[in-house]
Amino acid sequence: GAVVSQHPSRVICKSGTSVKIECRSLDFQATTMFWYRQFPKQSLMLMATSNEGSKATYEQGVEKDKFLINHASLTLSTLTVTSAHPEDSSFYICSATDRGQQPQHFGDGTRLSIL
Amino acid sequence: QKEVEQNSGPLSVPEGAIASLNCTYSDRGSQSFFWYRQYSGKSPELIMSIYSNGDKEDGRFTAQLNKASQYVSLLIRDSQPSDSATYLCAVKVQAGTALIFGKGTTLSVSS
Repeated sequence: GAVVSQHPSRVICKSGTSVKIECRSLDFQATTMFWYRQFPKQSLMLMATSNEGSKATYEQGVEKDKFLINHASLTLSTLTVTSAHPEDSSFYICSATDRGQQPQHFGDGTRLSIL
Repeated sequence: QKEVEQNSGPLSVPEGAIASLNCTYSDRGSQSFFWYRQYSGKSPELIMSIYSNGDKEDGRFTAQLNKASQYVSLLIRDSQPSDSATYLCAVKVQAGTALIFGKGTTLSVSS
């Protein structure tokens, strides 16, 4: 089945640091990738939708200048959390889809801890 | 606002029993429906997808969809302790859009 690889799996860093998370589709071309965030005991909340070669579409309340998304190829999207603060600590999960109606396949997630 | 509602649980069933998980959605135009399983600290894993009214069976899992009632359910037969997890109902309104998730139902299967 389709595989999505996400890296790194865990990041612990100081406040003010910028962190880049990579999401790769390994065996299919992901025209669309999605970035979610999940706080403890909460559901997945969509942050942004990333289409290859175009600007990401951000959900209401998500700061596009803080969460930079790049989707430069059909197999790679990156999320950069700029100047991260403790309130940005969360579980970030990417997903990708190759055909519009097909299920989204999720990466393993990145647990971000800002000290 | 598009919403997906689930009972948060926990739903507790004994080993070998049938677990029934329910989900309702608000957007009548929704086209695709999915059940994901999420273990603590892990990302969601696709269990079932269903696109048309009726039942769809895959091993011990059966998904049921009723678009008129805007209702989708997941039945797990012969529940095992390893089925203990949070089950997320997800809805896709149209092609190319992101999934909308419910808050999940926590299932606990006791041995």
